[in-house]
Amino acid sequence: DAGITQSPRHKVTETGTPVTLRCHQTENHRYMYWYRQDPGHGLRLIHYSYGVKDTDKGEVSDGYSVSRSKTEDFLLTLESATSSQTSVYFCAIRSDSGGDNEQFFGPGTRLTVL
Amino acid sequence: AQSVTQPDIHITVSEGASLELRCNYSYGATPYLFWYVQSPGQGLQLLLKYFSGDTLVQGIKGFEAEFKRSQSSFNLRKPSVHWSDAAEYFCAVENQGGKLIFGQGTELSVKP
Repeated sequence: DAGITQSPRHKVTETGTPVTLRCHQTENHRYMYWYRQDPGHGLRLIHYSYGVKDTDKGEVSDGYSVSRSKTEDFLLTLESATSSQTSVYFCAIRSDSGGDNEQFFGPGTRLTVL
Repeated sequence: AQSVTQPDIHITVSEGASLELRCNYSYGATPYLFWYVQSPGQGLQLLLKYFSGDTLVQGIKGFEAEFKRSQSSFNLRKPSVHWSDAAEYFCAVENQGGKLIFGQGTELSVKP
């Protein structure tokens, strides 16, 4: 299994509070991604990173920010959580070695915003 | 815009029966296509992928998929389903920049 961990695995918080989710990899892969999974929508990309301090927005980035100060860590922050951000969040990593486009996924974080 | 459609939200098959899960994509260039499986409470595991070459690709756990450019389809098949195959299955296409676009998912139930 790819070395990806996510923390916390479960979190319950209240509307308006800040929340930070962490993704940690031991594979030294260049690319990292944050997705959210909601019933009927599959997985949707929130933000991604193509290197340290290099990030860009995905399909559903409103209300989220990210940071990547080290290769191994990719943080997702909800500045002021809302109930619509209740979801399961997955981190993924991908190598940049030529031709191998597979993304490996972490175990997920279930976030509930009350 | 690129998109992936999985027309079947939920499928039930009997154990030992064959399985086909449908996936249609919309993408202008030659697509990179993937099928992932997600067991309850777990992350996603790659079953198989198509980049180029032979349009019939083999994956893990006895799954295969066939890329049909004329139909914009990448259907997943298995000749004989096992109870352990019950899970949710996602088709995805990779766009420029290496970002995955997922279908809505198909939940598979297996009857004994």
